[in-house]
Amino acid sequence: QKEVEQDPGPLSVPEGAIVSLNCTYSNSAFQYFMWYRQYSRKGPELLMYTYSSGNKEDGRFTAQVDKSSKYISLFIRDSQPSDSATYLCAMSPFGGSYIPTFGRGTSLIVHP
Amino acid sequence: GAVVSQHPSRVICKSGTSVKIECRSLDFQATTMFWYRQFPKKSLMLMATSNEGSKATYEQGVEKDKFLINHASLTLSTLTVTSAHPEDSSFYICSARVTSGKFEQFFGPGTRLTVL
Repeated sequence: QKEVEQDPGPLSVPEGAIVSLNCTYSNSAFQYFMWYRQYSRKGPELLMYTYSSGNKEDGRFTAQVDKSSKYISLFIRDSQPSDSATYLCAMSPFGGSYIPTFGRGTSLIVHP
Repeated sequence: GAVVSQHPSRVICKSGTSVKIECRSLDFQATTMFWYRQFPKKSLMLMATSNEGSKATYEQGVEKDKFLINHASLTLSTLTVTSAHPEDSSFYICSARVTSGKFEQFFGPGTRLTVL
C-alpha cells in the first residue's frame, strides 16, 4: 500500500459545481497536510495547508483533515474553468526534514 | 515573493550528451533545495535534497553519478544529467525552502527534458 493514495481522475464538472478532491494515507505520523495546484507544464503551487486535524477555509477553497480515518479533502465551491488543473495532496510529519510525501494528483476539468 | 525559476524550460538533446538544469530562488535565500522528477499522471518523485555548501542527499534508487547536483550558493542549485538516455526523458522540477524547520517549499516551473 502506498503511503498516500489519490485518484488520478480526470474529474470533469460543470462550471459552478462543488468539487470534492480526496486523499487517503497510511502513515499516522503525518501532521502537515497540504494541497498543491499544478497547471499543465508548470510547477506546483501551494494552495492551502493544515496542521493536524480540522478544517481550514480560504475563499472558495476548504481543506478538511480527518486523522481518525486518515482521510483529507479539498472542496472547491463555485468552480471556475480557471480551476482546471491537477491537484496534488502532500503530507509530512512534524519535525525532522519536513520532506512531504505527494499523492499522484487528481486532474480536474471544469467546463463552461 | 518566493519565486523560483528554472532554466531551460525545455531541452531536447541527443543520447549520450549531458544536460545542465539551473534552479534559482529569485527573491529569497534558500538553505535547502529539492529536485523532483515527474512522470505523466504520476506523483512527484523526490530525487535529492541539497543544502548550500554541502553534498546532496540522494533518495534510494537515484544514481548520484548520473544526476549531479551542485548547490553552490543560497540562490542557485544545478542538476546535471550525465550521459543522458531516452529513459531519462521526464519533467524535472526543483523547489526551494527558506529555512530549515519549515515545511513550505516553493516550486520552480519545471524543465521538460527529451532525450532522442
